Amino acid sequence: EVQLVESGGGLVQPGGSLRLSCAASGFAFSTSWLTWVRQAPGKGLEWVATIKSDGTEEYYLDSVRGRFTISRDNAGDSLFLQMNSLRAEDTAIYRCARQSVVPVDHFDHWGQGTMVTVSS
Amino acid sequence: AIQMTQSPSSLSASVGDRVTITCRSSHGFINELSWYHQKPGQAPKLLVYQVSTLHSGVPSRFSGSGSGTDFTLTISSLQPEDCATYYCLQDAQYPFTFGPGTKVELK
Repeated sequence: EVQLVESGGGLVQPGGSLRLSCAASGFAFSTSWLTWVRQAPGKGLEWVATIKSDGTEEYYLDSVRGRFTISRDNAGDSLFLQMNSLRAEDTAIYRCARQSVVPVDHFDHWGQGTMVTVSS
Repeated sequence: AIQMTQSPSSLSASVGDRVTITCRSSHGFINELSWYHQKPGQAPKLLVYQVSTLHSGVPSRFSGSGSGTDFTLTISSLQPEDCATYYCLQDAQYPFTFGPGTKVELK
């Protein structure tokens, strides 16, 4: 069974940093693309970042590029999101998702998410 | 970035009704569109990818269609467990963008 379990969320002041983790199991992690998607309270879904299976390609939402960094540890089956210079508008549930790329991209498994609150 | 719109933003239907949700893209693409639904307090779940391919385990009452800039998700016979918010996603180019969502409720 595919499992994605996020952790690392919490309350942080504007300008602060957080590192989110996503522990994966039940699938071939090292050959899977992975993505972070966020959802502000009461709002819709927003794609944040994607990383290729071998970590050689990264893609970011414009509003987080330069502040967030997606990374992965294929030996430990873990995905990360380093979030710096946090803003109030980054407040959201952050979920990791497996991105299947065959035959086209889509998110076939999701974690339950971890809440990030940016507030003074 | 490709902008996605959905209509309606919400709808109310009876059990057994045929329900159609439309998703429109600001730019045309071939088949890189997927649909998800999300129930309150839960993670989204994949329903359809590549416009019309049903994800494993998804009931056959769900179907997707469309091309270019206009796409549709249809529920042929609405069931109580289908009450959720539905999102389309263009995965043709980065940044991937979701539609704003359509909330489906029982009448």
